[in-house]
Amino acid sequence: KQEVTQIPAALSVPEGENLVLNCSFTDSAIYNLQWFRQDPGKGLTSLLLIQSSQREQTSGRLNASLDKSSGRSTLYIAASQPGDSATYLCAVTTITQGGSEKLVFGKGTKLTVNP
Amino acid sequence: EAGVTQFPSHSVIEKGQTVTLRCDPISGHDNLYWYRRVMGKEIKFLLHFVKESKQDESGMPNNRFLAERTGGTYSTLKVQPAELEDSGVYFCASSFRTVPTYNSPLHFGNGTRLTVT
Repeated sequence: KQEVTQIPAALSVPEGENLVLNCSFTDSAIYNLQWFRQDPGKGLTSLLLIQSSQREQTSGRLNASLDKSSGRSTLYIAASQPGDSATYLCAVTTITQGGSEKLVFGKGTKLTVNP
Repeated sequence: EAGVTQFPSHSVIEKGQTVTLRCDPISGHDNLYWYRRVMGKEIKFLLHFVKESKQDESGMPNNRFLAERTGGTYSTLKVQPAELEDSGVYFCASSFRTVPTYNSPLHFGNGTRLTVT
């Protein structure tokens, strides 16, 4: 059974700091891995998607890496800003027996960037 | 392009009552998913529609939950009768492709927060 763990559960940093969020998963048979952002009362916004054959993806100040063999991913945020404050969720895509794709989520990391 | 919309945004009902949640996916998205997050837990998969057909409903908790997608457009998720442990946030998501890719991601709605008292 696939399980996704995110560390830390919460993180508070001063503005401008570079930071790393961690995600681990127990079964390396994944189709891809995604990092999402969730603001309070809002839905999930996909930030980065890494295919299982890829090692990393970059978008602006965000860089996500994937080490499928060790079951780990990191999300690096450079020069953090107060607007980055949100909950960050890691999810792996697995294919069910019915041929359906299913996301397995971690509990998330709540990030607070202080001005 | 309108996003995935869910109604209502909040619902408070008493144990034993019935509640129906609605999801309108992005136009043209054949794939529609329901996910749920209960307090303190991860977001978990409930089921997947391809057009009007249930592709996978392995995540549905029990037979008190009924999902429909008549005509392959909007979907409803009915909980009858509701129990305390059904409280949580119910998310709907849609995508063009069955498996999300970089250029065809999964789009989530804002969710319906259900509170059963």
